[in-house]
Amino acid sequence: QSVLTQPPSVSAAPGQKVTISCSGSSSNIGKKNVSWYQQFPRTAPKLLIYENDKRPSGIPDRFSGSKSGTSATLGITGLQTGDEAGYYCGTWDISLNGVVFGGGTKLTVL
Amino acid sequence: HLQLQELGPGLVKPSETLSLTCTVSGDFINNRGNCWDWVRQPPGEGLEWIATICFTGNTYYNPSLKSRISISVDTSKNHFSLRLYSVTAADTAVYFCAKRIPFGDYFDPWGQGTLVTVSS
Repeated sequence: QSVLTQPPSVSAAPGQKVTISCSGSSSNIGKKNVSWYQQFPRTAPKLLIYENDKRPSGIPDRFSGSKSGTSATLGITGLQTGDEAGYYCGTWDISLNGVVFGGGTKLTVL
Repeated sequence: HLQLQELGPGLVKPSETLSLTCTVSGDFINNRGNCWDWVRQPPGEGLEWIATICFTGNTYYNPSLKSRISISVDTSKNHFSLRLYSVTAADTAVYFCAKRIPFGDYFDPWGQGTLVTVSS
């Protein structure tokens, strides 16, 4: 049972938009920055979004992040088959005094 | 260009100690503002944070693993290490090392990961 809650899977057609939610609490998302990671099978996670809504260099602006209260959202527009991957949210939890992740969301581009 | 590379035994017997090392290149491990973390991922499952050690010397551990883990830094070799004691099959996972930016609480970059199997 992950501290942060994500939907196990989402799907959409190529070219469409999808959002992935990440729900937490006042001890984590409510007070700390959220980051998002993309992970393809048998590879390491890759930073996609940091500090809630910032994109690292090289990440296309099709990817966006937002945070409101104790929840965060990853948005992906103009879906491509190459976006099929696992997506994880993460943040610091001040009660646990450590990093917490969501359980991950598998994106399928139909 | 910062790169991290994990080194692990591949196979560990139950009840033994798992030792992992992460070599950092392209940055000094004791640079101000750096934290260094271990994250693992059991086969087919999600990410689980294990521990962190920061430039201040502060360490933080996953409460569920705290009694069995130890993280340390060797500045002379520019690497950091993890020890996981009394392993069981439940510790079978890919172990990743990563640099964490403490103020933003995000990981970048990650090592490629090393698979550790606990089996007799």
